[in-house]
Amino acid sequence: QQQVKQSPQSLIVQKGGISIINCAYENTAFDYFPWYQQFPGKGPALLIAIRPDVSEKKEGRFTISFNKSAKQFSLHIMDSQPGDSATYFCAASLGGSYNTDKLIFGTGTRLQVFP
Amino acid sequence: DTGVSQDPRHKITKRGQNVTFRCDPISEHNRLYWYRQTLGQGPEFLTYFQNEAQLEKSRLLSDRFSAERPKGSFSTLEIQRTEQGDSAMYLCASSSPGTGEQFFGPGTRLTVL
Repeated sequence: QQQVKQSPQSLIVQKGGISIINCAYENTAFDYFPWYQQFPGKGPALLIAIRPDVSEKKEGRFTISFNKSAKQFSLHIMDSQPGDSATYFCAASLGGSYNTDKLIFGTGTRLQVFP
Repeated sequence: DTGVSQDPRHKITKRGQNVTFRCDPISEHNRLYWYRQTLGQGPEFLTYFQNEAQLEKSRLLSDRFSAERPKGSFSTLEIQRTEQGDSAMYLCASSSPGTGEQFFGPGTRLTVL
């Protein structure tokens, strides 16, 4: 019940296209859902995050769509660029009354954007 | 640079040796986390501190692992009697309470021969 399932494992997109990565969770007590971007040999970098009280959040070319009833959330990268080529991780955490905000990560999606 | 820093960035050791890693969080953050990441996987939670108190430990953290944050600032993670299965990237993150936003350091890559 603590798992976060991420798909696809890898994704190839042409420059200018839309990249879509999906995640699903079981634990309805999760209340924070961030996405991280990681380049080889580097630590994960926080990209964008959402809480379940909104269905969508947009920051620049990155959008999170959140479907509370389906227990799913997704990352959309508009106008994908070669510089976006990286591994993307979704995550989820409990909070509030659970007094813990450790992140539970998905298994990652390796995105390759070709010119 | 005001980000999370980790030292060393790389560590190669022989099986059975002890190793210690250091993490310096963002200065105003009072929460500090350790995660472990193996190749092709997402980071896995190990432990976290609020100020100097260690509030949660994962079952992944065997008796050979110990973490400290003595003055509520930097933290150390020690692995005793290293095993080849300990080879991984060890990541540190910090956050302010209530925001949920965790910022990661560059990691320490451990290789156990």
